[in-house]
Amino acid sequence: GAGVSQSPRYKVAKRGQDVALRCDPISGHVSLFWYQQALGQGPEFLTYFQNEAQLDKSGLPSDRFFAERPEGSVSTLKIQRTQQEDSAVYLCASTLLVGDQPQHFGDGTRLSIL
Amino acid sequence: GIQVEQSPPDLILQEGANSTLRCNFSDSVNNLQWFHQNPWGQLINLFYIPSGTKQNGRLSATTVATERYSLLYISSSQTTDSGVYFCAVVDYKLSFGAGTTVTVRA
Repeated sequence: GAGVSQSPRYKVAKRGQDVALRCDPISGHVSLFWYQQALGQGPEFLTYFQNEAQLDKSGLPSDRFFAERPEGSVSTLKIQRTQQEDSAVYLCASTLLVGDQPQHFGDGTRLSIL
Repeated sequence: GIQVEQSPPDLILQEGANSTLRCNFSDSVNNLQWFHQNPWGQLINLFYIPSGTKQNGRLSATTVATERYSLLYISSSQTTDSGVYFCAVVDYKLSFGAGTTVTVRA
């Protein structure tokens, strides 16, 4: 597609439920990133893929967070046993050439945990 | 990690005014991006600027990498310029500042 597509746009879940957030990057972009943006703050790095390889997951806040990109295109961020502090906007970005081309962001998924 | 500081934290402008936003960073970086996050939460790319000056309409940006800062200039501000402006330094991942919230009043 023309831009990075994320779904769902909004997600409400009860504490303890599992959620899955999807990101469809710009066609041909090999590098994909997930960021978390808490209310009133700048986005913070979660994890990075180059094609299907997860090269950095140092930003994932706990082992309840898991990301995959099995075919090197669409990525899914999964959060198990959600907690209230997981409430945030989750942003996906992709780039053609990491470090040498800008990252382009999707509109994000706003996750609310009740 | 690299520290990114933005100033001022908040800026209120009258329509038509000019303004300068600043981004300081603590270490050498490969590149720097400026974003506008609109009231709907969309992060819009403004500039990708490792050094020098770029202009796009009423906006321009200057990065002085040797002195570890970047400036974003908004001229003849419009109400549609309202939102949060972020700078982010690039190694492979982005490290964001806390943003400058700009409110342009008609």
